[in-house]
Amino acid sequence: DTEVTQTPKHLVMGMTNKKSLKCEQHMGHRAMYWYKQKAKKPPELMFVYSYEKLSINESVPSRFSPECPNSSLLNLHLHALQPEDSALYLCASSRGQPLIVNQPQHFGDGTRLSIL
Amino acid sequence: DQQVKQNSPSLSVQEGRISILNCDYTNSMFDYFLWYKKYPAEGPTFLISISSIKDKNEDGRFTVFLNKSAKHLSLHIVPSQPGDSAVYFCAASAGAGGTSYGKLTFGQGTILTVHP
Repeated sequence: DTEVTQTPKHLVMGMTNKKSLKCEQHMGHRAMYWYKQKAKKPPELMFVYSYEKLSINESVPSRFSPECPNSSLLNLHLHALQPEDSALYLCASSRGQPLIVNQPQHFGDGTRLSIL
Repeated sequence: DQQVKQNSPSLSVQEGRISILNCDYTNSMFDYFLWYKKYPAEGPTFLISISSIKDKNEDGRFTVFLNKSAKHLSLHIVPSQPGDSAVYFCAASAGAGGTSYGKLTFGQGTILTVHP
């Protein structure tokens, strides 16, 4: 069982809808991530939060809006998405700074998003 | 520009034999390397990692080798088991600090099939 929980597992929405993806971890990790994965492609980083602050935005369109309300939760707010945004959205977490040693990221099972 | 490459899309091995998955990288700033396994409908599962100060790391049946001069790493699984059948991704990151902190760059993945 994954220790990073993502909800919902599947989401179908129209291009005018507003929805949110949720991610939760209780491992005490202080870095959290959103990735996008298209079919037969590797995951691509979207956002990194470190200690609840946005530290990396990989030039993601503004129709994707991340939010980190506390150290355990990470949301991704969706608005006016396009059909090409259909993908698997993965959340991950890692211990984060100020530890010096490299740490692996642990992934949830993702939300399968379909835009009609 | 693909900074992490897995040139073999697929690999087929017999149960009990060794599986060797390969990965090449181009960015000399990468100093932390990871292998993930992914089953369908699940998120990537962390397997093993290696820091650039080492050339080998072992965990049970899994061993990762790093050749920095060749910018090449490999994952050895021995003995291979049918349950190891999955997609394997290598990933790399460039340091535990700085503006790129937390960014994992993934290879395209290799589909491993272990036959009974």
